[in-house]
Amino acid sequence: GENVEQHPSTLSVQEGDSAVIKCTYSDSASNYFPWYKQELGKRPQLIIDIRSNVGEKKDQRIAVTLNKTAKHFSLHITETQPEDSAVYFCAAPKGPNFGNEKLTFGTGTRLTIIP
Amino acid sequence: GAVVSQHPSWVICKSGTSVKIECRSLDFQATTMFWYRQFPKQSLMLMATSNEGSKATYEQGVEKDKFLINHASLTLSTLTVTSAHPEDSSFYICSARSLGGFYEQYFGPGTRLTVT
Repeated sequence: GENVEQHPSTLSVQEGDSAVIKCTYSDSASNYFPWYKQELGKRPQLIIDIRSNVGEKKDQRIAVTLNKTAKHFSLHITETQPEDSAVYFCAAPKGPNFGNEKLTFGTGTRLTIIP
Repeated sequence: GAVVSQHPSWVICKSGTSVKIECRSLDFQATTMFWYRQFPKQSLMLMATSNEGSKATYEQGVEKDKFLINHASLTLSTLTVTSAHPEDSSFYICSARSLGGFYEQYFGPGTRLTVT
């Protein structure tokens, strides 16, 4: 099955600086990579995702990059703000088989923005 | 769009009783719903995959007779924790994948279960 590793487990950055969280996956057939943000006591929210046919995707201050050769993908948050403080999870499916839509989640990164 | 509700948001029950948790997709049809368990400061652990009209698929180590899942329609899945014990206390979250969608999963707000 898919194995997803996420680093770092905690990250503190000064407000206005950038934050980068990295995930590696094991199944070279995986073709979809979402990032979720979870605030304390709340539901995980899909903030950005990327499919394997592109190398980068941006949405305002958030971007995701994908390196299929190295089997890793990263979340980039620029101009960080206090409301970016949360736990972020990456995920990957178990393969391109559309009959199997399960996602394997990373262990999470607790991001703290220091005012 | 892509709103998922979950009910109740929290529940306290006594050991030995059963608790039912509902997961609904409010503005889309969900062919597949997933049930996760999340311990404090930990990641999401998939318990089972629920497909409308068929039996749920449970992950290894999850007792299907203890965690009963029913997916009776394209907008509703239920998880029943039977004969609950204190170790079942946890945060249970469902997610739904829309009909015709890709792999995107949209999460419900979760249910905090406390078994006394």
